[in-house]
Amino acid sequence: AQKITQTQPGMFVQEKEAVTLDCTYDTSDPSYGLFWYKQPSSGEMIFLIYQGSYDQQNATEGRYSLNFQKARKSANLVISASQLGDSAMYFCAMRGGTNAGGTSYGKLTFGQGTILTVHP
Amino acid sequence: GAVVSQHPSWVICKSGTSVKIECRSLDFQATTMFWYRQFPKQSLMLMATSNEGSKATYEQGVEKDKFLINHASLTLSTLTVTSAHPEDSSFYICSARGGLHYGYTFGSGTRLTVV
Repeated sequence: AQKITQTQPGMFVQEKEAVTLDCTYDTSDPSYGLFWYKQPSSGEMIFLIYQGSYDQQNATEGRYSLNFQKARKSANLVISASQLGDSAMYFCAMRGGTNAGGTSYGKLTFGQGTILTVHP
Repeated sequence: GAVVSQHPSWVICKSGTSVKIECRSLDFQATTMFWYRQFPKQSLMLMATSNEGSKATYEQGVEKDKFLINHASLTLSTLTVTSAHPEDSSFYICSARGGLHYGYTFGSGTRLTVV
């Protein structure tokens, strides 16, 4: 079974500073994918960044980077130069790698989420 | 880019009535659709997985007779909440397998309020 854990219910950061949102995962699949999404109050899920389990380098997308530590099973999101518009709920998610026919294939399992508040 | 159109964005219905939520992939074929439910400030919980032309697979604890899922075409999947009750009030969001972003395209969600 897969499990994603986000231990920070809420985080606060000053505008223009960097912030790290924690995510740990557990899976027995050798192949998996890790995602981060942003969910503003409107409810839409905005894709931020993806890391494949076999990717050698940490993923980066603009101000977002993923600190992937495979041995520790962690996939923390780093947001640099925070902006007021970054205030939202953030979810870490994992896609299982079980082949088709297995019930876990393709499903995204989400962590509990972290509410990020950016202060001016 | 890949878009999943979800309607309605919000709905208020009376207890005991049924509500249908549609998710339509606009520029790609969605062979698989995932349906999630989310309570305020909580995580997304997978309710069911639907594949085009076959019966949906429901997660443990989800009442299949209450949450009817139909995936009759490669571009349309529907979730019908039957005999809705106030405890069914929630945010429902679909996610299609396919499109951009490493294969997951989310709808914009539906806020259901049952009064």
